[in-house]
Amino acid sequence: NAGVTQTPKFRVLKTGQSMTLLCAQDMNHEYMYWYRQDPGMGLRLIHYSVGEGTTAKGEVPDGYNVSRLKKQNFLLGLESAAPSQTSVYFCASSYQSSGTGGYNEQFFGPGTRLTVL
Amino acid sequence: AQRVTQPEKLLSVFKGAPVELKCNYSYSGSPELFWYVQYSRQRLQLLLRHISRESIKGFTADLNKGETSFHLKKPFAQEEDSAMYYCALSVDFNKFYFGSGTKLNVKP
Repeated sequence: NAGVTQTPKFRVLKTGQSMTLLCAQDMNHEYMYWYRQDPGMGLRLIHYSVGEGTTAKGEVPDGYNVSRLKKQNFLLGLESAAPSQTSVYFCASSYQSSGTGGYNEQFFGPGTRLTVL
Repeated sequence: AQRVTQPEKLLSVFKGAPVELKCNYSYSGSPELFWYVQYSRQRLQLLLRHISRESIKGFTADLNKGETSFHLKKPFAQEEDSAMYYCALSVDFNKFYFGSGTKLNVKP
């Protein structure tokens, strides 16, 4: 199993350009997430999905859109990139929690380093 | 609001010394807490969960609801423990809130 994969690994954009980051998982997980990692800020949740066809906003959703058309894929889109979106983006997935105390470990991808000039 | 605080950005210790990485949380419900680790050039991975009361690679963490803390401890640090450590709080639908991270540097 490949686990969680992300493409591309690196990307440089100019301000105003658009792009899509792809996350794929082969573990049949229900839940998928997009985070950004910035120095001194840790990981912040951008958007997440609790199943195919559903998405929801996280802590820092502005400037991003997502889609979950297939269970195994979670796409993160930047319609008009800004320098403030320079960051490392991580995708993660997890299986459905069985409730309080349920095992809900998140499995992370390797990250995408995005630079917006 | 749910928040996780890791007050130390960098923690340097010598090999064989005890280490404690601090984590405090703010959550009104019953928390599910985790420690994740990111070694150099590797992806983020789970280290341990409070619900399991386990010891992984010599690390333990005890949930103290009175002090709202979940500090990570190891009695004798090793050089291979050098990494970035994140404390995380899990709430609704598996949403995770991560602390800002502590970089642990274990010196030889």
